[in-house]
Amino acid sequence: GAVVSQHPSWVICKSGTSVKIECRSLDFQATTMFWYRQFPKQSLMLMATSNEGSKATYEQGVEKDKFLINHASLTLSTLTVTSAHPEDSSFYICSARDWVSGTGAGANVLTFGAGSRLTVL
Amino acid sequence: LAKTTQPISMDSYEGQEVNITCSHNNIATNDYITWYQQFPSQGPRFIIQGYKTKVTNEVASLFIPADRKSSTLSLPRVSLSDTAVYYCLVGVSTSGTYKYIFGTGTRLKVLA
Repeated sequence: GAVVSQHPSWVICKSGTSVKIECRSLDFQATTMFWYRQFPKQSLMLMATSNEGSKATYEQGVEKDKFLINHASLTLSTLTVTSAHPEDSSFYICSARDWVSGTGAGANVLTFGAGSRLTVL
Repeated sequence: LAKTTQPISMDSYEGQEVNITCSHNNIATNDYITWYQQFPSQGPRFIIQGYKTKVTNEVASLFIPADRKSSTLSLPRVSLSDTAVYYCLVGVSTSGTYKYIFGTGTRLKVLA
């Protein structure tokens, strides 16, 4: 089945530094990837939609200059948390849409990465 | 935007059947309903997807009534390892782009 690899699985950094998280679709091409963040005991919150070869679409309230998303190829999207601060500490999860062949536009399945735990000191 | 509503939590005992219902009143005509399972500190994992009526796979069944405004995930004979958060998800199409907004999910606790 479809596999999405996310790296690193956890990272600790100092306040003010930048951190890059990679998301790769291993056995399928993903024109669209989604980035979520999740705080403890809460649901996943969509941050942005990443489209291959074009600018990401950010959800309301998400700072595009702080959370830089690059989707340079059909199998790789990256999220860079710039000038990270303790309040950016969270669980970041990427997902890619794997189209179900032979069905309509709505019949697609999101495959999620394992997530990246970011801790900013 | 399509929004999903689920019970916040449920408790069950090992060996019982668990049914989790999700409300999605504004689902669009071409939207499918997908259910995911999430364990702590892991990404969500696909369980089952359906459009209407009933879908069954090796781990669950999904019941969708004719009006498609709700769906019910059925987990037969749950075990302790089924303790997790379960999300139903429908796509949202805005300006030709599909995206997926998670609701609260249902926190299922299976007791011995």
